[in-house]
Amino acid sequence: SQELEQSPQSLIVQEGKNLTINCTSSKTLYGLYWYKQKYGEGLIFLMMLQKGGEEKSHEKITAKLDEKKQQSSLHITASQPSHAGIYLCGADSQGAQKLVFGQGTRLTINP
Amino acid sequence: SQTIHQWPATLVQPVGSPLSLECTVEGTSNPNLYWYRQAAGRGLQLLFYSVGIGQISSEVPQNLSASRPQDRQFILSSKKLLLSDSGFYLCAWAAGGETQYFGPGTRLLVL
Repeated sequence: SQELEQSPQSLIVQEGKNLTINCTSSKTLYGLYWYKQKYGEGLIFLMMLQKGGEEKSHEKITAKLDEKKQQSSLHITASQPSHAGIYLCGADSQGAQKLVFGQGTRLTINP
Repeated sequence: SQTIHQWPATLVQPVGSPLSLECTVEGTSNPNLYWYRQAAGRGLQLLFYSVGIGQISSEVPQNLSASRPQDRQFILSSKKLLLSDSGFYLCAWAAGGETQYFGPGTRLLVL
């Protein structure tokens, strides 16, 4: 079965700094989703990547997909307190309309 | 626009009691519906998914069951709760194989 590993598991950065979260798959990626979750709340969809080399942006968040490395990265520029939360990557498991998720990266932004 | 609802928001139940969590979607027809569980410190685990009324696929053998009595209604049930059933339960919908959108979640504590 496909597994996703996120790194780091937690991250504390000072407001205004840049940061990167990685998501590595054990198998070929057919589609990679990034979500954000505030504690105790549902997941908010950020963006979806489907093609190798694809890059998408949502406000100050940019995600890239490296198909050969079976990896995606999420980059936040000039972090703000509103970026704090848990970031989860999810992958379409063998194109079966089912998602498997990484364990999440907890992001804390210090003022 | 589409909206997804879950209730209750929070539930505290004794071991051995029954469970019924409800999820409803508005603004779309024939969605794929999903139940996930998020245990403390762990990622999301897919429990059940449904591609149509009465069609339920179980991903993980366990103490829970799911039903879809109407097109936009998805119910998660248990006859007798276990301590290990505690967690955060999330419902999601998708239009076919497209992006999954999540509800606000139900926090279940089994004592």
